[in-house]
Amino acid sequence: DTAVSQTPKYLVTQMGNDKSIKCEQNLGHDTMYWYKQDSKKFLKIMFSYNNKELIINETVPNRFSPKSPDKAHLNLHINSLELGDSAVYFCASSLTTGGPIYGYTFGSGTRLTVV
Amino acid sequence: QQPVQSPQAVILREGEDAVINCSSSKALYSVHWYRQKHGEAPVFLMILLKGGEQKGHEKISASFNEKKQQSSLYLTASQLSYSGTYFCGTANNFGNEKLTFGTGTRLTIIP
Repeated sequence: DTAVSQTPKYLVTQMGNDKSIKCEQNLGHDTMYWYKQDSKKFLKIMFSYNNKELIINETVPNRFSPKSPDKAHLNLHINSLELGDSAVYFCASSLTTGGPIYGYTFGSGTRLTVV
Repeated sequence: QQPVQSPQAVILREGEDAVINCSSSKALYSVHWYRQKHGEAPVFLMILLKGGEQKGHEKISASFNEKKQQSSLYLTASQLSYSGTYFCGTANNFGNEKLTFGTGTRLTIIP
């Protein structure tokens, strides 16, 4: 049973296209995240949802739009893809009741390549 | 601001010890440690919540110096399976504060 599942694992697309990445967790966690890992391996937070409510929205271009239909799902839609969007995108989840005292569980990542 | 990790990279022979440091410019509420193997997702190792707290996980342990805003990860008698990139993640406040990951330390264990 996969705890945090992300699809697709690989995404190769042309500049200007629109694409979506889906994430689902079956851990009963209340908070989900999108992180971007660039070629230098830096992990940078993009968004966070707590029980379907957006709580963190870092300085991310408006072309990125997250959606959380329920607390077990978090999707990421990207419009008008650019070369600089190429990266690995990780979904993660955590239990945050009581504060940031629990570890994150990451999905396997989506390697996005824009050509 | 991203926590700074040192060293950036280290190569060890099996059985040797390593220390990875994580330093923040902000006050810390909690510090997480993760290991990421090549092409895989980061995996949670441990979390430290209080200043001075030390935790252990088999031969991997960590300490948290709240005053110095620093944490260190200790790997003892390293095994080949310890290879990977280690990240610290810091949370500054109680509540739904984001986890900010450090710059990463690449650890290579050779036989």
